[in-house]
Amino acid sequence: EAGVAQSPRYKIIEKRQSVAFWCNPISGHATLYWYQQILGQGPKLLIQFQNNGVVDDSQLPKDRFSAERLKGVDSTLKIQPAKLEDSAVYLCASSLEPGSNSPLHFGNGTRLTVT
Amino acid sequence: DAKTTQPPSMDCAEGRAANLPCNHSTISGNEYVYWYRQIHSQGPQYIIHGLKNNETNEMASLIITEDRKSSTLILPHATLRDTAVYYCIVRVGTAGGTSYGKLTFGQGTILTVHP
Repeated sequence: EAGVAQSPRYKIIEKRQSVAFWCNPISGHATLYWYQQILGQGPKLLIQFQNNGVVDDSQLPKDRFSAERLKGVDSTLKIQPAKLEDSAVYLCASSLEPGSNSPLHFGNGTRLTVT
Repeated sequence: DAKTTQPPSMDCAEGRAANLPCNHSTISGNEYVYWYRQIHSQGPQYIIHGLKNNETNEMASLIITEDRKSSTLILPHATLRDTAVYYCIVRVGTAGGTSYGKLTFGQGTILTVHP
């Protein structure tokens, strides 16, 4: 099966600019996650979707970050305006229904550099 | 979510077994133990998971103690390509609360396999 697709692979922007990341999960996976991974740390959950509804966005900095999954498939994560501390790898993951105990499958991420 | 404790780094000779320990002394009855690894510039890769029985797949074996307070991931014949950060994670396995389904990553263990 095809894995989780993310684009772009790399992005360099200046602070105060906006940026968007795109994720296409594995076909049939109802649950989609966005994680932020700062260099040297483990990934940190930003937001979790179940189909097109938000399950958990408690760690999402909502003053500058937004995410949507309008049709319950693809998702976009946006940062506006970006800060230097947003430099990180943004990982998308997907899984079947949570109750199935199916593992999360991750994409290879988008590496964002804010200058 | 229950927290896990892993050694920050370990070394292993190529061809030998790599045994990666993990402590999860506050694990609850409905929490599974998951192992992921992350190779440089890639997203985390699922390895194996279990509840209370030992598990084996084509990648590794997972040994969980009877009291479920600790576990060991075993890579039976380590290769240079197994050099990665290994994450031990406990995950809620049934519906309930905002932690349902998500993975919470710690710092992991950096495994270095030497020739």
